[in-house]
Amino acid sequence: TQLLEQSPQFLSIQEGENLTVYCNSSSVFSSLQWYRQEPGEGPVLLVTVVTGGEVKKLKRLTFQFGDARKDSSLHITAAQPGDTGLYLCATPAGGTSGSRLTFGEGTQLTVNP
Amino acid sequence: EAQVTQNPRYLITVTGKKLTVTCSQNMNHEYMSWYRQDPGLGLRQIYYSMNVEVTDKGDVPEGYKVSRKEKRNFPLILESPSPNQTSLYFCASSWGLANEQFFGPGTRLTVL
Repeated sequence: TQLLEQSPQFLSIQEGENLTVYCNSSSVFSSLQWYRQEPGEGPVLLVTVVTGGEVKKLKRLTFQFGDARKDSSLHITAAQPGDTGLYLCATPAGGTSGSRLTFGEGTQLTVNP
Repeated sequence: EAQVTQNPRYLITVTGKKLTVTCSQNMNHEYMSWYRQDPGLGLRQIYYSMNVEVTDKGDVPEGYKVSRKEKRNFPLILESPSPNQTSLYFCASSWGLANEQFFGPGTRLTVL
């Protein structure tokens, strides 16, 4: 099973600050999904990146896929308390037919007002 | 409204007492899966199903069973629950593995 390493594990910042979280693997990603999970709820998809070097923007969130497709980053500009949550990356990997979805352990982000 | 539903949302039980957590989706998705989420370990896939009557083990299948008799339902069965199965469980569905996973609201299970 492909292992995904996310860093940092915890991040606590003040409203208005910028931040970047990372998702890395020793193997090449076929594609990578980023999810956000709020307390008491299931994860919700933010974006899927597929092509090496790809950059996608979602309002104040910028997602980048590494050229070699072994790493990805999520950058948040001017963080707001509503950005608080667990950020997870996930990729298809493993299984008898490559049919498992593997998640990283996540980055727990707290944005203080 | 497109959604994945799970029941129950909360369950406290005792060791050895068989239980079933139901999962249902109304989006006609072919791919469904079960995850458990534990502090420090993230989301780990228990079982998945690529279609009716097609199921396969995920990363942590021991102590769990599933069935996929209908496209919309994917129940998780614990034949003899043990305390190490105390966890937060999520069901998810999608068109395929590389597609957006739609998660249910979660089931918090405590096994005493």
